[in-house]
Amino acid sequence: GAVVSQHPSRVICKSGTSVKIECRSLDFQATTMFWYRQFPKKSLMLMATSNEGSKATYEQGVEKDKFLINHASLTLSTLTVTSAHPEDSSFYICSARDWGEKLFFGSGTQLSVL
Amino acid sequence: QQQVKQSPQSLIVQKGGISIINCAYENTAFDYFPWYQQFPGKGPALLIAIRPDVSEKKEGRFTISFNKSAKQFSLHIMDSQPGDSATYFCAASQAAGNKLTFGGGTRVLVKP
Repeated sequence: GAVVSQHPSRVICKSGTSVKIECRSLDFQATTMFWYRQFPKKSLMLMATSNEGSKATYEQGVEKDKFLINHASLTLSTLTVTSAHPEDSSFYICSARDWGEKLFFGSGTQLSVL
Repeated sequence: QQQVKQSPQSLIVQKGGISIINCAYENTAFDYFPWYQQFPGKGPALLIAIRPDVSEKKEGRFTISFNKSAKQFSLHIMDSQPGDSATYFCAASQAAGNKLTFGGGTRVLVKP
């Protein structure tokens, strides 16, 4: 089956630094990628939708200047958490859609901001 | 606004029993309803999905029942096994492959 690789799986950073999370579709071209955020024992909340070569569409309440999304190629989307603070600590998950209609999820990135 | 409501929040079932999770949605534009299984520290994995033109879909031990008039759908896990212990999420979207709205999740524990 299709594989979505997310890296890193876990990152710890100091408050005020920026962190980049990569989401790669390994064996298919992803026209659209989605970024979700999940707090412990909570559901997944959509942050933004990114389409290759165009600006991401952010959900209401998500700060676009804080969560920078770049979808530069059909196999790679990145989420950069800028000037991270402890309240940004969360589990971030990407998903990618192939040319059809199937969505495949990455394994997630646990971000801890000290 | 919680567009997809899921219940129960947690569920304990004996090995071999049936796990039943229910979801209700509000947005009538939703036409694709998948169920996902998530283990701790991992991303969700698609279990089974249904569209509103069918009332039931079965894949192995997993069955989705769909009631369009009531705007409800449910997941039945037959012959539950300890390996099924995980968090299950229902979701909905306008067409498959579009952004998903997730339910709150159900933590299932299958006791041996």
